[in-house]
Amino acid sequence: EIVMTQSPATLSVSPGERATLSCRASQSVSTNLAWYQQRPGQAPRLLIYDAYTRATGIPARFSGSGSGTEFTLTISSLQSEDFAVYYCQQYNSWPQAFGQGTKLEI
Amino acid sequence: QVQLVESGGGLVKPGGSLRLSCAASGFTFSDYYMSWVRQTPGKGLEWVSYITGSSSSVYYPDSVKGRFTISRDNAKNSLYLQMNSLRVEDTAVYYCVVGGSHFDYWGPGTLVTVSS
Repeated sequence: EIVMTQSPATLSVSPGERATLSCRASQSVSTNLAWYQQRPGQAPRLLIYDAYTRATGIPARFSGSGSGTEFTLTISSLQSEDFAVYYCQQYNSWPQAFGQGTKLEI
Repeated sequence: QVQLVESGGGLVKPGGSLRLSCAASGFTFSDYYMSWVRQTPGKGLEWVSYITGSSSSVYYPDSVKGRFTISRDNAKNSLYLQMNSLRVEDTAVYYCVVGGSHFDYWGPGTLVTVSS
């Protein structure tokens, strides 16, 4: 079973700054990795799939990179609505697994 | 646009049963794999089951295998999760989700509480 580890647990940044979130898999997942955003009181929302493909309607300031075991989600210029919890998820092998999340806070 | 609305959550005693339902609209339901994903404060997000568009294949993680059954009715654009032999650790918000690998759209969720 693949374990996904996200770092840091909490990231404090300011609006307009760049944020870099990391996700590590315990074994290779190729590029079968997704990122989700969850705002308080809401369901998660798909941001990125296949490691770097933005989902429908996702702004260009969100970008994903990486392959194998190391992945990064970058938000180029933080907007107020971007302060949320971000999860990575691998779907290369069963069972799919999520990371524990990174909270992006001001 | 895609809409998913879960129902059927509530309070149940350990060992009891619940059936969750999900009404889907805004897309061709039968064309898509569907899944259930749950979320707890302690364990985070956990995939619970998925079903192919034609119901030909279903999958479960070991944590729910033998206790949970996923099904769908394409004529009614509906997804279901029958949960039996519920345990305290099944307490979570359960989401109906479009997709079987990455999860493209999520419903708002329904809370299931297993407690005596």
